[in-house]
Amino acid sequence: NAGVTQTPKFQVLKTGQSMTLQCAQDMNHEYMSWYRQDPGMGLRLIHYSVGAGITDQGEVPNGYNVSRSTTEDFPLRLLSAAPSQTSVYFCASSYLQGYGANVLTFGAGSRLTVL
Amino acid sequence: AQTVTQSQPEMSVQEAETVTLSCTYDTSESDYYLFWYKQPPSRQMILVIRQEAYKQQNATENRFSVNFQKAAKSFSLKISDSQLGDAAMYFCAYRGYSGAGSYQLTFGKGTKLSVIP
Repeated sequence: NAGVTQTPKFQVLKTGQSMTLQCAQDMNHEYMSWYRQDPGMGLRLIHYSVGAGITDQGEVPNGYNVSRSTTEDFPLRLLSAAPSQTSVYFCASSYLQGYGANVLTFGAGSRLTVL
Repeated sequence: AQTVTQSQPEMSVQEAETVTLSCTYDTSESDYYLFWYKQPPSRQMILVIRQEAYKQQNATENRFSVNFQKAAKSFSLKISDSQLGDAAMYFCAYRGYSGAGSYQLTFGKGTKLSVIP
């Protein structure tokens, strides 16, 4: 049971480069989300999705794009990386209904450094 | 917007002793969920315990228990019989019960717990 899989685990970019962080879950979760973690800041929501074709912004969406073409996948795109996007990124998912509806399952995180 | 405050950036506890981590939150909602997550050095986010606001009984999970004071908007985590493996960053988090607020988990800034052998 893989749970939530994030790739890559580490990435170094130069300012202005683009990249995509991949996230896949095999639990048939309707809800998927991306958070960034910065020292002393906790985790902050970037974007989320409540189903295929439906996405919305979180607290810190600027500089990031998302799409949800399938239930399983929720990639996060950085179109023009900036040093301020140096962070650890977490993908998380959950059901929308039932007992597990409010319990997020997190991926292992992706550390991104922008030079 | 909801806010979650963890006033203790760092704490330490002797092995086998008990420690309490504090969390307060601000909300105008009457129904919501509260969580404690643990993040060890491996970086993996692990759910420790959760509490539904409509339940008056405090949640417990083995050595972990909470003191949920709804009127005071306080949600502290007690770790009993502390073990070396409990050393980690602990995050308190809030999630709304319905509507747009239910789609966002709001985290505190974390408390780093050290366990002294």
